[in-house]
Amino acid sequence: SQTIHQWPATLVQPVGSPLSLECTVEGTSNPNLYWYRQAAGRGLQLLFYSVGIGQISSEVPQNLSASRPQDRQFILSSKKLLLSDSGFYLCAWSAGTTSNQPQHFGDGTRLSIL
Amino acid sequence: QQQVKQSPQSLIVQKGGISIINCAYENTAFDYFPWYQQFPGKGPALLIAIRPDVSEKKEGRFTISFNKSAKQFSLHIMDSQPGDSATYFCAASGYNYGQNFVFGPGTRLSVLP
Repeated sequence: SQTIHQWPATLVQPVGSPLSLECTVEGTSNPNLYWYRQAAGRGLQLLFYSVGIGQISSEVPQNLSASRPQDRQFILSSKKLLLSDSGFYLCAWSAGTTSNQPQHFGDGTRLSIL
Repeated sequence: QQQVKQSPQSLIVQKGGISIINCAYENTAFDYFPWYQQFPGKGPALLIAIRPDVSEKKEGRFTISFNKSAKQFSLHIMDSQPGDSATYFCAASGYNYGQNFVFGPGTRLSVLP
């Protein structure tokens, strides 16, 4: 079966520090991968998605970037964190073969910026 | 046109009652409508999904009703239990969006014992 892992589960970082969140998927090949941010008590905002290695699409302009160095690895990064980057970051995958496949989420990283 | 509206924002139901959450969309290109359940501190989990070729889909206590002409769909939770207390998100996607979903803002459900 397929599984998705995100780490760390929680992270506290000072303003201006760098960020690296990692997401890996097991049990599938060529998945579509997604990064979402969820503000407290709010909905899901799509940040980045990827349909293949090195292919990244950004949905909103921001202080963050994403990379996909391997087929089942998705990394969210920042060079300098802002207070507004605080939130709950979720990685998700879906089967990349056809459209209208469900997305499956990891358990997220709670990021607090001090 | 990409927006998915969801109501109510919060819902309180007695144990054993029926919980109903409604969603509406504008874009007729949407043709896949999943519902997700999220517990605090966890990622959303797929609950049930429907395509517009059927008007209803039932899985256990959970039912999606779909009205294509009105561009509305709803989640019904029968015999609601305290363990159903969570935030529920509707979503929509379509061929022209690839694998991208548009999510509703969520409904926080509390089922009282």
